[in-house]
Amino acid sequence: QKEVEQNSGPLSVPEGAIASLNCTYSDRVSQSFFWYRQYSGKSPELIMSIYSNGDKEDGRFTAQLNKASQYVSLLIRDSQPSDSATYLCAVTRGRRALTFGSGTRLQVQP
Amino acid sequence: ETGVTQTPRHLVMGMTNKKSLKCEQHLGHNAMYWYKQSAKKPLELMFVYNFKEQTENNSVPSRFSPECPNSSHLFLHLHTLQPEDSALYLCASSQDGARDGEAFFGQGTRLTVV
Repeated sequence: QKEVEQNSGPLSVPEGAIASLNCTYSDRVSQSFFWYRQYSGKSPELIMSIYSNGDKEDGRFTAQLNKASQYVSLLIRDSQPSDSATYLCAVTRGRRALTFGSGTRLQVQP
Repeated sequence: ETGVTQTPRHLVMGMTNKKSLKCEQHLGHNAMYWYKQSAKKPLELMFVYNFKEQTENNSVPSRFSPECPNSSHLFLHLHTLQPEDSALYLCASSQDGARDGEAFFGQGTRLTVV
């Protein structure tokens, strides 16, 4: 079983729609959860972090965490073509380095 | 000036060459990392340094040799690489004790081994 699992996509949504990206993780004691955005040929950029159960909103982005289900998601409201990228889910605990999923490619159609 | 700077951005080297990748962070962080990103694979952690001390080595072949002279600089020395080592090599830094795990990446070095 992979430590962090994501659907590779591509996930295709029309402009203005809500994009929903999902991630599951296997380490029950994970404490910190992150979403990174990576444009083609570029490095990952941190867009959201979440540490406790529930929702966390930042602009058009909402991260959702459910530790009981070992599930974290990212919602992007009013999706724009500029949101087209690969979204990486990452988890960690304590001082351990991040463990990444393989990413979900999002395509926002104009 | 970006937070994490990597040089060179692109590197082509032969299998018998020796080269080094450099990473510098200007964020005051105390942890630095090397990751490898190959096509269609998750980011693979290679090495971790905390306060200049190596704390993780994820079974990386000895042809990759890291060096961390201080908490702001990190090097990856390369020698006798194989074509399958061609990948994007990413450096990252974070601050332990704050938001654990919140790591910031450099722009990466695209390495091609011929």
